[in-house]
Amino acid sequence: DVKVTQSSRYLVKRTGEKVFLECVQDMDHENMFWYRQDPGLGLRLIYFSYDVKMKEKGDIPEGYSVSREKKERFSLILESASTNQTSMYLCASSSPGLEGAYEQYFGPGTRLTVT
Amino acid sequence: TQLLEQSPQFLSIQEGENLTVYCNSSSVFSSLQWYRQEPGEGPVLLVTVVTGGEVKKLKRLTFQFGDARKDSSLHITAAQPGDTGLYLCAGHNTNAGKSTFGDGTTLTVKP
Repeated sequence: DVKVTQSSRYLVKRTGEKVFLECVQDMDHENMFWYRQDPGLGLRLIYFSYDVKMKEKGDIPEGYSVSREKKERFSLILESASTNQTSMYLCASSSPGLEGAYEQYFGPGTRLTVT
Repeated sequence: TQLLEQSPQFLSIQEGENLTVYCNSSSVFSSLQWYRQEPGEGPVLLVTVVTGGEVKKLKRLTFQFGDARKDSSLHITAAQPGDTGLYLCAGHNTNAGKSTFGDGTTLTVKP
């Protein structure tokens, strides 16, 4: 079974703090993703990575950065947290399945509250 | 930009009823996935469909990929309270690194 783990289920941070969200997958997947999920807005892609040290901006990268130093680990960084970054953050990984379909496997999510 | 529209957005039914959720796009996808997400958890993959016209069954759930690979449907027979959750469809193209997600259908099945 694919397993994607996220470092925290719940986090509370203050405005202006630097926040690190860690994600680890154990299936040797090439691709990893960070999303945020907000009511009424669906899943929005923040950043993704095809390979170690590679990153691509998603739909809403502003205020975020990422790091992928090892294949299994993909970190999301909020350089200076703001209240509008309060959200559910989801990490996912993927690689081509048997039919060439890039099925994504998600972690349990981190509920971040910025006060 | 590829878009996936899901309908209905919300669905509340009684246990034992049947239902269908739709996922539509003007774009063609190489594959399409369906996920279910429970409150406070990450989405869990239910199925992948790849071939136009393909039908896959997972117990009481039936998934269909449109002939033109632009749309899909999820049909649940005799819904149970355990089916409650957010159902998401996601389309993928091989030459794109990322998937396009629909906004989801929130299903509530009342006992």
